[in-house]
Amino acid sequence: GAVVSQHPSWVICKSGTSVKIECRSLDFQATTMFWYRQFPKQSLMLMATSNEGSKATYEQGVEKDKFLINHASLTLSTLTVTSAHPEDSSFYICSATTGGESNEKLFFGSGTQLSVL
Amino acid sequence: QKEVEQNSGPLSVPEGAIASLNCTYSDRVSQSFFWYRQYSGKSPELIMSIYSNGDKEDGRFTAQLNKASQYVSLLIRDSQPSDSATYLCAVTGLPGTDKLIFGTGTRLQVFP
Repeated sequence: GAVVSQHPSWVICKSGTSVKIECRSLDFQATTMFWYRQFPKQSLMLMATSNEGSKATYEQGVEKDKFLINHASLTLSTLTVTSAHPEDSSFYICSATTGGESNEKLFFGSGTQLSVL
Repeated sequence: QKEVEQNSGPLSVPEGAIASLNCTYSDRVSQSFFWYRQYSGKSPELIMSIYSNGDKEDGRFTAQLNKASQYVSLLIRDSQPSDSATYLCAVTGLPGTDKLIFGTGTRLQVFP
């Protein structure tokens, strides 16, 4: 099946620094990628929908200036957490779709555990 | 009201038993329904999808959908310790949308 590669798997950073997370579709072109955040024992919360070549669509309550999303190609989307703070510590997961109406074509990355000190 | 609701559990069942996981959703226009399994610290993996009322079976898994009651369930037969994980229910809204709304998940524990 299709593979979505997400890096890094985990990152520890100091408060105030920025962290970039990459999400790559390895063997398919992903017109749309999604970014989720998951706090411990909570559900995956959709942060934004990333479309290649256009601005990302952010969910209500998600600061677009803090969580910068770039979807520059059909195989790569990046999420940058700017000026990270301890409350941004979470599990970030990307997913990519090959298109069509079926979510069975939706593939998840392995996730990134962010810890902000 | 939460859009997708699940009992957080844990649901504990003995090995070999049937585990029954339930999910309700609030948006009547939801078209597609999915069950994902998530191990701790890992990303979700798709277990089952169901789009129409009734039952859908795949191996030891059976998904059941009742749109009138806005209810979807997952049955796991002959439960194994390796089935111990958090099971996430996810639904979509309008046809053609890839946007998934997840429930909080039910933690399943299968003990030997």
